[in-house]
Amino acid sequence: EVQLVQSGAEVKEPGDSLKISCKGSGYSFTNYWIGWVRQMPGKGLEWMGIIYPSDSDSRYSPSFQGQVTISADGSISTAFLQWRSLKSSDTAIYYCARLNMLWGVIITIDQWGQGTQVTVSS
Amino acid sequence: QSALTQPPSASGSPGQSVTISCTGTSSDVGGYNYVSWYQHHPGKAPKLMIYEVSKRPSGVPDRFSGSKSGNTASLTVSGLQAEDEADYYCSSYAGSNNLGLFGGGTKLTVL
Repeated sequence: EVQLVQSGAEVKEPGDSLKISCKGSGYSFTNYWIGWVRQMPGKGLEWMGIIYPSDSDSRYSPSFQGQVTISADGSISTAFLQWRSLKSSDTAIYYCARLNMLWGVIITIDQWGQGTQVTVSS
Repeated sequence: QSALTQPPSASGSPGQSVTISCTGTSSDVGGYNYVSWYQHHPGKAPKLMIYEVSKRPSGVPDRFSGSKSGNTASLTVSGLQAEDEADYYCSSYAGSNNLGLFGGGTKLTVL
């Protein structure tokens, strides 16, 4: 069974750093792109960025370029989303997702993680 | 680019059919057949229900169907059941310069 299991909820203060994780199982982790999606409170979904674990090729949405770092370690089938300095506006649920891609086009998300709640508050 | 437009809510009684729309532009929904629909029960992982406008993944009941006309895609849920009550999101490819767009989500209530 294909699964993406994310790390647990985090409560941080503004200025803190944070790295959350997404561990894949039930498939060849390095052969599929992984994406990260943000859901702010009461809002819809937004693409943050994607990464190909085999070679760490990554792309970011303009809104998130320079704000977060997406990485992956194929040896442990895990992708990461990292912040150097959190802001209160980073409070959201973050989902990782396995992507179905064709010729560089995201066709669909065929598996989602359960989400990680990140709360940033002083 | 703006998010795709979905109605915030939809509802229907058990056994009825309900259709949720997802409106974009000719640069996204209207320009490509890469529209997906996801079901999300809060607190759980979202689930793929429809991809490439009208294709159903294995295991998704045929009560769920997708279609597209012009710049608007639609998800129809027939024979509504209590467990269909959830949030539904559409998404679309939007060209090579971005990762794609999501709709704002529709809360489906089974009355």
